[in-house]
Amino acid sequence: KNEVEQSPQNLTAQEGEFITINCSYSVGISALHWLQQHPGGGIVSLFMLSSGKKKHGRLIATINIQEKHSSLHITASHPRDSAVYICAVPNYGGSQGNLIFGKGTKLSVKP
Amino acid sequence: DTGVSQNPRHKITKRGQNVTFRCDPISEHNRLYWYRQTLGQGPEFLTYFQNEAQLEKSRLLSDRFSAERPKGSFSTLEIQRTEQGDSAMYLCASSLAGNQETQYFGPGTRLLVL
Repeated sequence: KNEVEQSPQNLTAQEGEFITINCSYSVGISALHWLQQHPGGGIVSLFMLSSGKKKHGRLIATINIQEKHSSLHITASHPRDSAVYICAVPNYGGSQGNLIFGKGTKLSVKP
Repeated sequence: DTGVSQNPRHKITKRGQNVTFRCDPISEHNRLYWYRQTLGQGPEFLTYFQNEAQLEKSRLLSDRFSAERPKGSFSTLEIQRTEQGDSAMYLCASSLAGNQETQYFGPGTRLLVL
């Protein structure tokens, strides 16, 4: 079974700051998911990546498959980025099937 | 809106009652997942379907829980004889089976068992 660790658990930043959230997992995988959860519960899939880097607007996700580590970066953070960010990996190391989730990083961006 | 929908969004029930939740996936998606999320934790896998077949069930899914997807479209999750420990957010996600599939999540059903 894959195990997922995220850090930090909580993060407070000032508007405009560069944010980094880290995720480590124990079993080799072919793809990792980054998800965003706003108060009220709705989850949005941000990225699914298997190598290198992906960018969407102010969000950048990187992954190092050999080191079993991924980072999510937010440039020029804004209060609307305040949410819980969760990384998830396949349970059995493959690219299909159910996901194992980290506990999430609660980000609060102050104006 | 063609996203994943869940009903009801909130449910308050008394201990011992049965509850049923519904999930309508994105129409062309053949995979459907149920997850449970308790406060301060990430979601935990409960079960998933490919079309109408239930392919995997977590050990978290006790005998009081049953899920169906009778026609391979919408799914229901029923909890019988609810307990206070069942209070959680129940999330549904759907995807199109493939090599690297993205799961699309519904808004969740928040259950409170009194």
